[in-house]
Amino acid sequence: SYELTQPLSVSVALGQTARITCGGNNIGSKNVHWYQQKPGQAPVLVIYRDSNRPSGIPERFSGSNSGNTATLTISRAQAGDEADYYCQVWDSSTPLVFGTGTKVTVL
Amino acid sequence: EVQLVQSGAEVKKPGESLKISCKGSGYSFTSYWIGWVRQMPGKGLEWMGIIYPGDSDTRYSPSFQGQVTISADKSISTAYLQWSSLKASDTAMYYCARWGADGFDYWGQGTLVTVSS
Repeated sequence: SYELTQPLSVSVALGQTARITCGGNNIGSKNVHWYQQKPGQAPVLVIYRDSNRPSGIPERFSGSNSGNTATLTISRAQAGDEADYYCQVWDSSTPLVFGTGTKVTVL
Repeated sequence: EVQLVQSGAEVKKPGESLKISCKGSGYSFTSYWIGWVRQMPGKGLEWMGIIYPGDSDTRYSPSFQGQVTISADKSISTAYLQWSSLKASDTAMYYCARWGADGFDYWGQGTLVTVSS
C-alpha cells in the first residue's frame, strides 16, 4: 500500500516561513491535497491539487509537488496557524491515503 | 451553502451495533462521493471508505474492509457508517466529508463514538 511520511513537528517563529514536507514514492505524479486541523475542530482543506487554494484560504498558504516530495509552505506565520497538517493523495493501490500528520508550533 | 451534518455522539457497549449518519445539503448529493474518516484519540486521520450516492458504488480501505459498512439513501441525501459488533478500539471521532477532484472539500462536524463496558 502507498505511504505518505510527514515530520512529526515543525516549529516556526512568528512572521517567518514554515515548510511541511510530505514524502511518497513518485508523489510528484499524483494530486496532493493538504488539510489543517485545529484542536477540537474538523479538518479544513487548505491546498488542493498540489498548489491551489480554496476560497477563503489566505495567500500565505502555498503548495508544491515534485519527485518524491510535496511541500506545504506557510509564509508570515501567525499564531492562528498553529494546527496539525495532513497531506493526502489518491493512489490506485489504496486508494485514498493520508499522511502521518505534522504539528505546527508558532513560537 | 454546502453542509454535511452528522448525527450526535454515541456511547455504546462492546458487542452492540451502531449506525451513524451524515446528511448533505446545498449541493447535488448524488454527484459527489462521500468519504468516512476515523480519528482515534490523539491520533491522525485514517480513511475508512467512500461511497458514490448516485449508484452506491462503495470502496473500502483494506484496513476497514469487513469491519464496517458504508451505505447511502439518496432519497434523503444521507450517508451512513455502521458497525454490527463494536469493540473498545472503535472509540474515536468519525468524520464524513465530500470527495471530489479537489479533495475532501467539505467536512461534517464529526461524531464521537465511545465504546465502553
